[in-house]
Order: sequence, then structure tokens, then C-alpha cells
Amino acid sequence: DSGVTQTPKHLITATGQRVTLRCSPRSGDLSVYWYQQSLDQGLQFLIQYYNGEERAKGNILERFSAQQFPDLHSELNLSSLELGDSALYFCASSIRTGGFTDTQYFGPGTRLTVL
Amino acid sequence: QKEVEQDPGPLSVPEGAIVSLNCTYSNSAFQYFMWYRQYSRKGPELLMYTYSSGNKEDGRFTAQVDKSSKYISLFIRDSQPSDSATYLCAMDLNLGAGGTSYGKLTFGQGTILTVHP
Repeated sequence: DSGVTQTPKHLITATGQRVTLRCSPRSGDLSVYWYQQSLDQGLQFLIQYYNGEERAKGNILERFSAQQFPDLHSELNLSSLELGDSALYFCASSIRTGGFTDTQYFGPGTRLTVL
Repeated sequence: QKEVEQDPGPLSVPEGAIVSLNCTYSNSAFQYFMWYRQYSRKGPELLMYTYSSGNKEDGRFTAQVDKSSKYISLFIRDSQPSDSATYLCAMDLNLGAGGTSYGKLTFGQGTILTVHP
């Protein structure tokens, strides 16, 4: 158990809908990262927050947004969902702002299915 | 073409075999190299990390980086059924003289490994 929790474990929804994925980082970790894992694209970095501020952005779609709250938990909002958004969404956390020795600990993931 | 290429396998070996997993990359700015292991229905977990070229050993695992060839490897000696998992290579950039990076990891596709008794 990495200490990172994600809810829900599974989410099934329809195209055009909006969902919110939630992540609680390990105790003491200030950074939260979001990744998307799909069969064709693999594991891809979406966005990073550090202590409430956006720090780095990957190939995150405009339909997706995230935030980190004062208690350091984070939410990833996915809207106008398309079939291609079906994937595993992972949250990771680390102590510092990121970097070589700042190990990212991954949560168990949320499996999103868009029908 | 992807920045990081990794043969997805699957790779099936007998218990006790030496396993070699590899990734190639195209971005010469990658300076930090990691291997993650992902068991079925779990999140990835960091196995090893290395900086720049050379070898690093940790128990049965050896990570090797050849920056001149843009090629990294992970060797598993005396493989065990418990090593059966997907192995992902990951890379990060060096953003400055201080050797910092953002942690925007770029992952390979992952290689599915099965070690059978």
C-alpha cells in the first residue's frame, strides 16, 4: 500500500457527462501528479500540483481540469466525456516539487469507462 | 514516433532465468532514468532510478544506462514468479544546473513479464 488513496475505484458513465476523480496524497507529501493510462498511449503525465499551485502541465485536454485543495487532496475533473477517455487514471504524490530523488508514489487508480 | 520506445512483449521465462528489459529514447535532454513495476490492478511502484550513464545494482536488479546510444536496460537475475508484472521505464529532464526536474515523467509502453515455475 503506497499510502495514496483514490476514489472511486471504478466509474461507468455515458458520453457527454462530467465526472470528478479524487486523490488523497500520502501524509506529508506536498505534490500531487495525475496520469492517464490507456492501452494505446500507455502511461501519460497530465498535470502536477505543488502545495495548491499548478506546477507542470502535460498533454492534458482542455476538457480536463484539476485542483489541489488546502488540505492537499486533489480532484481531477473530466467533462464532455468521449469514448476515448476510457482509461485508468492514476494519482501520485511526492514530498517535494518533483525531481530525480523525489520518489512518486502511485495510488491504485480509478478505472473510467465511458459508454 | 514516441519519445520513449519499449517492447511490450509479452515476455515469458522460466524461474531462475536472467531477464533483460530495454528502452530506447530519442530526447537527449533526458537525464534521469527510472524503472517502475506494476502488478495487475495496482499502481506503478518505483523499482530503481539512475542518473546519467553507468550501472546501478540493487539485489537481483541491475539498471544500465547508455546515453551515447540512448538506451537503458533492466536486468533481473534469478527471476521469481513474484517478479511477474509489467515493467515500465520512465525518464525525466534535467532542467537546470542544480539538476532539478519537474517530475514530468515520460513512460515507455511497459513490458509484460511472466516468470513461470
